[in-house]
Amino acid sequence: AQTVTQSQPEMSVQEAETVTLSCTYDTSESDYYLFWYKQPPSRQMILVIRQEAYKQQNATENRFSVNFQKAAKSFSLKISDSQLGDAAMYFCAYRILYGGSQGNLIFGKGTKLSVKP
Amino acid sequence: AAGVIQSPRHLIKEKRETATLKCYPIPRHDTVYWYQQGPGQDPQFLISFYEKMQSDKGSIPDRFSAQQFSDYHSELNMSSLELGDSALYFCASSADRTTFSYEQYFGPGTRLTVT
Repeated sequence: AQTVTQSQPEMSVQEAETVTLSCTYDTSESDYYLFWYKQPPSRQMILVIRQEAYKQQNATENRFSVNFQKAAKSFSLKISDSQLGDAAMYFCAYRILYGGSQGNLIFGKGTKLSVKP
Repeated sequence: AAGVIQSPRHLIKEKRETATLKCYPIPRHDTVYWYQQGPGQDPQFLISFYEKMQSDKGSIPDRFSAQQFSDYHSELNMSSLELGDSALYFCASSADRTTFSYEQYFGPGTRLTVT
């Protein structure tokens, strides 16, 4: 069975600084997707970034980027120029691909990020 | 852009009662997923539907059932409610076979409280 591990229950960063959230996963599959979701106090689940396992290039979305190491099964999220609005719970998620669809998300336990002004 | 709609947003029920949660996916999304998030927990997959057929099943109790209708909206029916069913229930939708992005977009959730 696939598992996702986030080893940092809580992290803190100074406003405008950079922070990296860690995620490792375990799978025997070769085709899968990885995601980072943000859950602010409103509890809404917001998609931050996506990485396809077959792509070697790391995904980037504005201030958010990932470091994807497939062999090491590692998928970390880097947030640059942290803003107060980045404070939230961040979930790493894995999704298997089969039949081109129908893959549910498997989440890690989450990392609570605080941003200090 | 249109988002996933869930209703109601909040629901309070007593033990042994029944609850029905509704989900309206993003237009032209063909797959709906239900997740349960307990207090301080990560979301857990319950069940999914593709083109109105059940496509996958997770840790969904036998007391729960769900279906997707012809207009693609989905309903999660929960019977004989227990205190442990108190949680945030998310619906998510995706359009894998048209967009190939494999991204799931979540609704705002329904907060169910069982007393």
